[in-house]
Amino acid sequence: EAEVAQSPRYKITEKSQAVAFWCDPISGHATLYWYRQILGQGPELLVQFQDESVVDDSQLPKDRFSAERLKGVDSTLKIQPAELGDSAMYLCASSLFGQDEKLFFGSGTQLSVL
Amino acid sequence: GENVEQHPSTLSVQEGDSAVIKCTYSDSASNYFPWYKQELGKRPQLIIDIRSNVGEKKDQRIAVTLNKTAKHFSLHITETQPEDSAVYFCAPSGDYKLSFGAGTTVTVRA
Repeated sequence: EAEVAQSPRYKITEKSQAVAFWCDPISGHATLYWYRQILGQGPELLVQFQDESVVDDSQLPKDRFSAERLKGVDSTLKIQPAELGDSAMYLCASSLFGQDEKLFFGSGTQLSVL
Repeated sequence: GENVEQHPSTLSVQEGDSAVIKCTYSDSASNYFPWYKQELGKRPQLIIDIRSNVGEKKDQRIAVTLNKTAKHFSLHITETQPEDSAVYFCAPSGDYKLSFGAGTTVTVRA
């Protein structure tokens, strides 16, 4: 079965540094999501793309976070500068058309900010 | 946005017994009601879903029931097994965005 690819799997950085995460959704999936999951909590949506357009970034801390999906395929999430409170699992997910259908999750990037 | 609450937050059951998790939501426009299972250190995976035109759906030992009037839906696991130990999330969605509940940690005791 096709999977959502994410890299890196783990990232350790110092505060004030820049970090970037990459996601390649399942081929043909128009909708791509970036979630942040803190241990013991449910995933929190950061940004949702429909093709190359952002449809929801209301919870994205735009002073330090940015996301792009330039060609409507793979996506990059960046944090600059990283803060201690950014330590979390960053999950990418995709779905064929929209949010009212099955989400396929990647393995995630575990970020530790020291 | 959608307010989603799951109860209980933790659930411990004896192997072979049943487990029920309830999810309450606020957006009356929600029309898709999935449950995701996340094992320790792994990605969330869809285990069952239901749409607003259906009241109940079963898949082997798991089932989901929906009460749209009361705005809640529930996950039912029968004949629980050790591999059912995980965190379960509901994620109701509709025209607005999908929102995950805080999760229910299920532990199946041997």
